[in-house]
Amino acid sequence: EVQLVESGGVVVQPGGSLRLSCAASGFPFDDYAMHWVRQAPGKGLEWVSLINWDGGRTYYADSVRGRFTISRDNSGNSLSLQMNSLTVEDTAIYYCAKDFYHDIFTGHPFFDFWGQGTLVSVSS
Amino acid sequence: DIQMTQSPSSLSASVGDRVTITCRASQNIRSYLSWYQQKPGKAPKVLIYGASSLQSGVPSRFSGSGSGTDFTLTITSLQPEDFATYYCYQSLSPPLTFGGGTKVEIK
Repeated sequence: EVQLVESGGVVVQPGGSLRLSCAASGFPFDDYAMHWVRQAPGKGLEWVSLINWDGGRTYYADSVRGRFTISRDNSGNSLSLQMNSLTVEDTAIYYCAKDFYHDIFTGHPFFDFWGQGTLVSVSS
Repeated sequence: DIQMTQSPSSLSASVGDRVTITCRASQNIRSYLSWYQQKPGKAPKVLIYGASSLQSGVPSRFSGSGSGTDFTLTITSLQPEDFATYYCYQSLSPPLTFGGGTKVEIK
């Protein structure tokens, strides 16, 4: 059974930093691209970042580029998101999501499994 | 960046109704589109990928169509468990983008 379990969400002050983690199990983690997707309270889904299967390619939404860094540890089956210079607009539930493919440029990528999410609240 | 525009943003429907949700891309995304259902407090769930392929385990009352810039999600006979918010998502090229969502409510 595929499981994605996010952790690391807390209340942090504007300008602060935070690192989110996602523990993956039930599938060969190093075969698939992985994403972070967020959802602000009462709002829609926003794609945040993508990393391909081997970590060789990463992509970011314009709203987080230069502040967030996605990474993965294939030996430990984990995905991370380092978040710096946080603003109140970064307040959201952050979901870890598995792609159906190993790379964004293979097939017709889509999210086939999601974690339960972790809440990040940026507030003074 | 590719913008995804969904319509309507909300709709009211009755059990048994046929429901159609539209998603328009700001440029040609071929068939790099998927549809997701999200219920309150839950993570999204994929319904359709590749614009028209039904994900395993999803009821056949859900269907997707379209290519290029105009796409449709259809629910042929709305069931009580289908009341939720639906999102389209383009995966042609980063930055990847979702539509704004369509909330399907009970009439």
